[in-house]
Amino acid sequence: QLVLTQSPSASASLGASVKLTCTLSSGHSSYAIAWYQQQPEKGPRYLMKVNSDGSHNKGDGIPDRFSGSNSGAERYLTISSLQSEDEADYYCQTWGTDIQVFGGGTKLTVL
Amino acid sequence: QVHLQESGPGLVMPSETLSLTCAVSGYSISSGYYWAWIRQPPGKGLEWIGSLHHSGTTYCIASLKNRVTISVDTSKNQFSLKVSSVTAADTAVYYCAREDNYFDYWGQGALVTVSS
Repeated sequence: QLVLTQSPSASASLGASVKLTCTLSSGHSSYAIAWYQQQPEKGPRYLMKVNSDGSHNKGDGIPDRFSGSNSGAERYLTISSLQSEDEADYYCQTWGTDIQVFGGGTKLTVL
Repeated sequence: QVHLQESGPGLVMPSETLSLTCAVSGYSISSGYYWAWIRQPPGKGLEWIGSLHHSGTTYCIASLKNRVTISVDTSKNQFSLKVSSVTAADTAVYYCAREDNYFDYWGQGALVTVSS
C-alpha cells in the first residue's frame, strides 16, 4: 500500500534552516513526490517535485531558500534562512496507478 | 497564468448531493493534463477525491467511488464534482487543481458544510 509518513510538527528559529522529511512506504522507494506549503487560512501552494535521484523541479516563483533532496525512501524539503511567513503546514504527495496519496502534513513553527 | 475557481452551494443537507464546479482560465482543459478535486476537513489534512482527463477518463479514491461523479464541460472550460448521499463527514474545504502527477495550480477552495 502506497503511504507517505510525515512528522506532525517541527520547529526552528528565525533565520535558521529546517529539514522536513517525507517517508515512502516499503516497496515504493523509487517514487517521486511533490511538496506543498499551506499558510494559515490559505490554499495549498505547489513548491516542488523531488525525484528519486534527488533532483527537483520547483514551481513558479518559489525562492531559492527552498530545496529538495532524498535518501533511500526519504524525501526532504529544506528551508534555509527561515522567515516568519514560512510558518505553515507542509504536505508531501505521491502518485501511483490510478491513485494519489498525501502525507498527513507537518506543522512548521518559526520561533 | 492558469487560474482555477470553485463555485457551488456552501450548505448541503444530509443525504443530498453536493455539487461544485471549477472554472479554469489561462489554459484550455482540452489541451491536456488531468484535472482534480481535493478536499480538506476542518483542522485536518488533504484528501484526494478524484481526477478527470478532458477525454472523460476519470479515476477516484476507492472509499468514495460509489458516491462521486466527476465530469467536464469543455465548451465552458470547466469541470464538476458531485458527491451523493452526503453526511457531516463530507464537510470540508473543496479544492480543484490541475494535475501533472502532482498538483501545480490550485483554486482558492470552497467550504461546503453538510448540516440540516
